[in-house]
Amino acid sequence: EAEVAQSPRYKITEKSQAVAFWCDPISGHATLYWYRQILGQGPELLVQFQDESVVDDSQLPKDRFSAERLKGVDSTLKIQPAELGDSAMYLCASSFMGQKNTEAFFGQGTRLTVV
Amino acid sequence: GDSVTQMEGPVTLSEEAFLTINCTYTATGYPSLFWYVQYPGEGLQLLLKATKADDKGSNKGFEATYRKETTSFHLEKGSVQVSDSAVYFCALKAGGGSYIPTFGRGTSLIVHP
Repeated sequence: EAEVAQSPRYKITEKSQAVAFWCDPISGHATLYWYRQILGQGPELLVQFQDESVVDDSQLPKDRFSAERLKGVDSTLKIQPAELGDSAMYLCASSFMGQKNTEAFFGQGTRLTVV
Repeated sequence: GDSVTQMEGPVTLSEEAFLTINCTYTATGYPSLFWYVQYPGEGLQLLLKATKADDKGSNKGFEATYRKETTSFHLEKGSVQVSDSAVYFCALKAGGGSYIPTFGRGTSLIVHP
């Protein structure tokens, strides 16, 4: 069964360091999402891609976060510099098309701890 | 903007008890509605969905009916098992072009033997 792949599963980094997460969506899925999930809360959208284009990044803290999906397939989310408040689960999801009726398929996430 | 409100947890039940987790929404137009489940340390998995009013989504004994008049999508199961212990998220995708999935805070379910 096709899955969304994310790496690493866990990351511990020191405050002010740079960190990057990678996501490979299900083959053929044009829409890719990055979410941040703080412990005990629901996922919050950071950025949505349609192919290689950003559709929505209104909630992405652009002073420290960046995201790219250069060839419209896999994607990288970067944080530089990391802050203590960035500790969270970072989830990648994809869907065939960004239509109203289609569900998102999630990866297992990257658990980030900033110390 | 679009939003989802779920009942606060944790919900604690004995095995074979009846489960209801309430979900209400605010959205423009006619959204699609979803329930996802998250097991500890894992990503979210789709449990069921409904795409128009009065549709009933069902999977693995769970059901939810899209009620437009009450803007609700409550999750139910007739007899829960210990293996159902997880966090359940209600979500919607509404109009506006980008159809961004919007999630509730999640409701933790704990089932005791």
